[in-house]
Amino acid sequence: GENVEQHPSTLSVQEGDSAVIKCTYSDSASNYFPWYKQELGKGPQLIIDIRSNVGEKKDQRIAVTLNKTAKHFSLHITETQPEDSAVYFCAATSYNQGGKLIFGQGTELSVKP
Amino acid sequence: NAGVTQTPKFQVLKTGQSMTLQCAQDMNHNSMYWYRQDPGMGLRLIYYSASEGTTDKGEVPNGYNVSRLNKREFSLRLESAAPSQTSVYFCASRQGWGTEAFFGQGTRLTVV
Repeated sequence: GENVEQHPSTLSVQEGDSAVIKCTYSDSASNYFPWYKQELGKGPQLIIDIRSNVGEKKDQRIAVTLNKTAKHFSLHITETQPEDSAVYFCAATSYNQGGKLIFGQGTELSVKP
Repeated sequence: NAGVTQTPKFQVLKTGQSMTLQCAQDMNHNSMYWYRQDPGMGLRLIYYSASEGTTDKGEVPNGYNVSRLNKREFSLRLESAAPSQTSVYFCASRQGWGTEAFFGQGTRLTVV
């Protein structure tokens, strides 16, 4: 089955700097890769996703890149702000996996003012 | 619009007791999920239901059972709780592959 590895587990940056979180997946059939943000005491919420037919997707300060050959994808946050502080999760799934959605271990991002 | 509703929000059980965590969604989603979240372990899939009438094991199904009662409701049962099941449990739903998953607020379960 699918296995998703996420790094780093914690990340501390200064406000205004960029942050990068990386994930690798094991199942070459995976073709949908969402990223979720979890604020303290809440459930995760989708912030951006990418499908395997594109290599990059951007939404304002957030971007995701996908390398299918290497089976890894990354989240890039530019011009970080204190409100970006949260736990971020990557996930992977494929249509053939019958709906199974597997998450990485999470990255706790801290943005220092 | 309530989204995904989990009950209860908090629960303390004694070892060996049983309980059912309830989850309901009002978005007419086909797929529903149960995850547990432990420090450093991320979100681990316990069971999921790709559509009404089907359930499948996830990454960590041992010690749990599920019931997809109807399209709206997906319950998680602990038959004989163990301290290792102390965790925060999240229910999620989505329409299908390639769509956004919506999560409930979580149930914090402590087994003593």
